[in-house]
Amino acid sequence: GAGVSQSPRYKVAKRGQDVALRCDPISGHVSLFWYQQALGQGPEFLTYFQNEAQLDKSGLPSDRFFAERPEGSVSTLKIQRTQQEDSAVYLCASSPRPGQTNEKLFFGSGTQLSVL
Amino acid sequence: RKEVEQDPGPFNVPEGATVAFNCTYSNSASQSFFWYRQDCRKEPKLLMSVYSSGNEDGRFTAQLNRASQYISLLIRDSKLSDSATYLCVVVDQTGANNLFFGTGTRLTVIP
Repeated sequence: GAGVSQSPRYKVAKRGQDVALRCDPISGHVSLFWYQQALGQGPEFLTYFQNEAQLDKSGLPSDRFFAERPEGSVSTLKIQRTQQEDSAVYLCASSPRPGQTNEKLFFGSGTQLSVL
Repeated sequence: RKEVEQDPGPFNVPEGATVAFNCTYSNSASQSFFWYRQDCRKEPKLLMSVYSSGNEDGRFTAQLNRASQYISLLIRDSKLSDSATYLCVVVDQTGANNLFFGTGTRLTVIP
């Protein structure tokens, strides 16, 4: 389909392991966002890209979290030395316009990360 | 204090009922407001924007009260398919222009 695609759908990691989560936004979408959604909570902002530029990473919870979008399309969220508190659904969203005020974000189905 | 506060519910209502959710926000300079819907184990999807004058989309009505800093969503004639979590979203345009999501209000419509 033409929607936002995320992989893997599920990831189980041992504590201390590094993980990489992939997001394929809708083709041509300028803006890309990563959110973290813990069980029973709303999505929490992690970081924002406009094309390949990471304009806002204020939501990344620690320096173990790193995101990139080197060619302005596919993005990867990397978590180093995973901890149990990192367990959550990681949602990627894209939008055709720049800026973070767009009302219509197109979300992927998310990657559910479980750290044991 | 969280940027956006919502009653998590759950709200259990019979089919055909009218139900309303409120959401309060802390930043008085916020300019944009939305309601998203999230089904169980699915991604959030935009339901509707919220305008100062209020807006309606079929059985759904959204209202904004800037003085009291809250937004509301009214669902009339509830259907079973309305069962979902409804997320309030506020855009903070004074800083990094983030979209802030509430925790969501869970609605179950009962036959």
